[in-house]
Formats: sequence, structure tokens, C-alpha cells
Amino acid sequence: EAGVTQFPSHSVIEKGQTVTLRCDPISGHDNLYWYRRVMGKEIKFLLHFVKESKQDESGMPNNRFLAERTGGTYSTLKVQPAELEDSGVYFCASRDTDGAYEQYFGPGTRLTVT
Amino acid sequence: DAKTTQPPSMDCAEGRAANLPCNHSTISGNEYVYWYRQIHSQGPQYIIHGLKNNETNEMASLIITEDRKSSTLILPHATLRDTAVYYCIAVSFLQGGSEKLVFGKGTKLTVNP
Repeated sequence: EAGVTQFPSHSVIEKGQTVTLRCDPISGHDNLYWYRRVMGKEIKFLLHFVKESKQDESGMPNNRFLAERTGGTYSTLKVQPAELEDSGVYFCASRDTDGAYEQYFGPGTRLTVT
Repeated sequence: DAKTTQPPSMDCAEGRAANLPCNHSTISGNEYVYWYRQIHSQGPQYIIHGLKNNETNEMASLIITEDRKSSTLILPHATLRDTAVYYCIAVSFLQGGSEKLVFGKGTKLTVNP
């Protein structure tokens, strides 16, 4: 079974530009989460999808961040326009609905805004 | 804010058991205790979870006190590859609620040869 995949693994952009991160969850997992770790801080929750619906987006920092999950499969997280403080590692995780409660994390996307 | 507190760092000799403590005195009755770890800069990895009873799987054992105010993660035979930051997290699965993981600073476990 393939794990959670994220693309790209690393992105370097200039302040003011737009970046889109992609997450492919484990096949069949209805729950998809985004987290991020910015420099020197703990890993923080951003939002939670159940299929294509946003269950909890309380962690989204501001309206420069837009997450989508059309069709309930893969998800994208767009940052527009990017700011210096957005630099960090963005993790995606997925979880099956039935039975197991553990979240499986992807390897992360390292975003560097210069 | 995280509902759990952990020591910032611990050391363990290779081949010995690593016992990682976690305090969660304010945990509510419906919150599970989860353990994850992050090896270097990889994505967090699930280890084990429990509600009231002690649990064991192929990776570790979880001992939860009867009053549920604290727990201990046990890696029975630590290897160098177990060097990582270990996170103890309280998670609620109430209907319609958020199941987000609230990461604290965790415990940096160093397994020494």
C-alpha cells in the first residue's frame, strides 16, 4: 500500500509569489489533514478534510492560505502571496474513517520564501 | 496548547528499554493518549495509542496510570534508529469534533551505542 505522498519535496519562491503544494493521501482515506512547522516552532494543525468537506479549518493562519480537496481525493494548499514567515515544512496526513484512528503522515514539503 | 508535558530530552543505551514519561493531568475522559515520533526531518510516525488500558504492539508498549493522569511509552529494546523526538498527544474523537493533533515540544530521545 502506497503511503501519503507530497509534491514538491522542496520549493523555493520569492516573497509575493504563489506556491501550490499537493498531497495525495492513502487510497480510500476519507480524512486528510494539513500541518506545518515553521522555524523553531512546534508542528501546528492547519485544517482537516472529510472527503471534500472542510471539517475544521481553525488552524489556517490567514486568508492567504487556500486548501482544496475537489473530488475527495488529493488536496492542494495554495499560498498567495507568500510571505517570509510562511517558510517551513508543510505536512499532510491521512486517516481511514473506519476502525483505525492513527494519522499517517507524508514526508513533507519544505517551503522557503526569500 | 498541548495538554501534555514531557521531559525535553532523555538518553538510553542501545539494547536497553527506553521509558518515556508523559503527564496529562487535565485529560478528559473521552481523550485518547497517542504517541508519535519524528525521526530527523521526516514526517511524524504513529507509534501507539490507548484510552484506559495498557496497550502493546510491535513497536512499543503504552502504560496508562489508573487515574489517567500520566502514561509511559516503553521501547523494549532501543536501537540507534529509535533516536527521534517523541510526542505524547491527547486526542478527542467526539462526533463532529476536531481530531487534530496538538504537538508540544516532545522528548528528544538519544539512543547511544
